[in-house]
This record gives sequence, structure tokens and C-alpha cells, in this order.
Amino acid sequence: EVQLLESGGGLVQPGGSLRLSCAASGFTFSSYAMNWVRQAPGKGLEWVSAISGSGGSTYYADSVKGRFAISRDNSNNTLYLQMNSLRAEDTAVYYCAKSYGDYVGWFAPWGQGTLVTVSS
Amino acid sequence: DIQMTQSPSSLSASVGDRVTITCRASQGISNSLAWYQQKPGKAPKLLLYAASRLESGVPSRFSGSGSGTDYTLTISSLQPEDFATYYCQQYDSMPLTFGGGTKVENK
Repeated sequence: EVQLLESGGGLVQPGGSLRLSCAASGFTFSSYAMNWVRQAPGKGLEWVSAISGSGGSTYYADSVKGRFAISRDNSNNTLYLQMNSLRAEDTAVYYCAKSYGDYVGWFAPWGQGTLVTVSS
Repeated sequence: DIQMTQSPSSLSASVGDRVTITCRASQGISNSLAWYQQKPGKAPKLLLYAASRLESGVPSRFSGSGSGTDYTLTISSLQPEDFATYYCQQYDSMPLTFGGGTKVENK
């Protein structure tokens, strides 16, 4: 069974940094692109970033480009999101989600999410 | 960026009703469309991809259709467990984008 478990969320001040992790199991991690998708409280879904199976290709939404960095450790089956220069509008539940192959497409499954709150 | 517009934003329906949700893309997306269901406090769950292909384990009362810019999710006979919010997502081009969601409520 595929499992994705996010961690690393919490309360951070504006301008601060946070690193999210997503531990994956139940599939050949390096064979699949991975994604981060977020959802602000009471709002819809927003794709944030994606990374290819090898880690050689990365993609970002304009809203986080230059501030967030996606990476992966295929030896430890873990996906990361380094978030810098955080803003109040980055407050959201962050989900990691597996792509259907080693390409950016649709997402299945999703992790349970980790809440990031940016506030002073 | 491709804008995805869902309609309606909410609807009220009863168990057994046929429910239709529409998703319109700002440009053609060549059937590169997925549908998700999200219940309160839970992660989204994939229902369909490639506009009409049912994800494994998803009940056959869910179906998808469409082409070009206009796509539809249909629930043929609404069940109690189907009250939720539904999102469409295009993956034709980056950045990946979602519709605003449709909340299906109990009438």
C-alpha cells in the first residue's frame, strides 16, 4: 500500500523558514515524480511544486518561485520542501502527492497534510 | 496560465439524484483533466483522470466526459458518502491548475 506521511509543519513568523518532509513507502520512490499542493484555510487547492523521479527537473508555481525549493532523497524515500521568506499568504495545509508516473500530471494518492501557519 | 472555472460553486441535492459538475478551461487541454473528491479535514482523493478514466476502486456511478475546453463530472445516483467538495485539475501545461471547487450539499 502506498503511504505518504508529511511532517515539519508548524507556526513560523513572517520572513522565517521551514522545511517540510514527506516520507514515502509502498512503491519505487525514484520512479515517480512527486508534488506539493497546498490549501489555505477554507480555500481551494493550489499546486506548489513538482520534481521528477531523478530529481533532475523541478517546477514551481509563480507564487513560490525563488522562495521555495523542492528536493528529494531517493535513498531514503523522502521528499522535501524548503520554504524561505514565508509570508502570511503561505499559511495552508501542505500535501505531498505522488504523480502517476515519472511525469507531472495527476495526483494519487495524497498524504494527510501538514499545517503551516505564518503569523507573528 | 490555464484558468479552470468550475460551476456551480455549490449545489444542493438528495440521495439518488443525478449530479453534474462542469469545468471549463481557458484554452484547450486535450482531455488532460483529473477530478478529485475532498471531504472535510481529509486529503483529496482521485476519482478520474484523462477526463473519463475511472481510478481503480472508484464506484462506477462517477463518470467524466468532455473535450477541448469543456468537461463534466457526473454522479449518476448520489449516495450519502458522496456529499463532499469536488475539484477539477488540468495537467496539459505548467503550472498545473485547479478549479475553484464545487461543494455538494444535502438538500
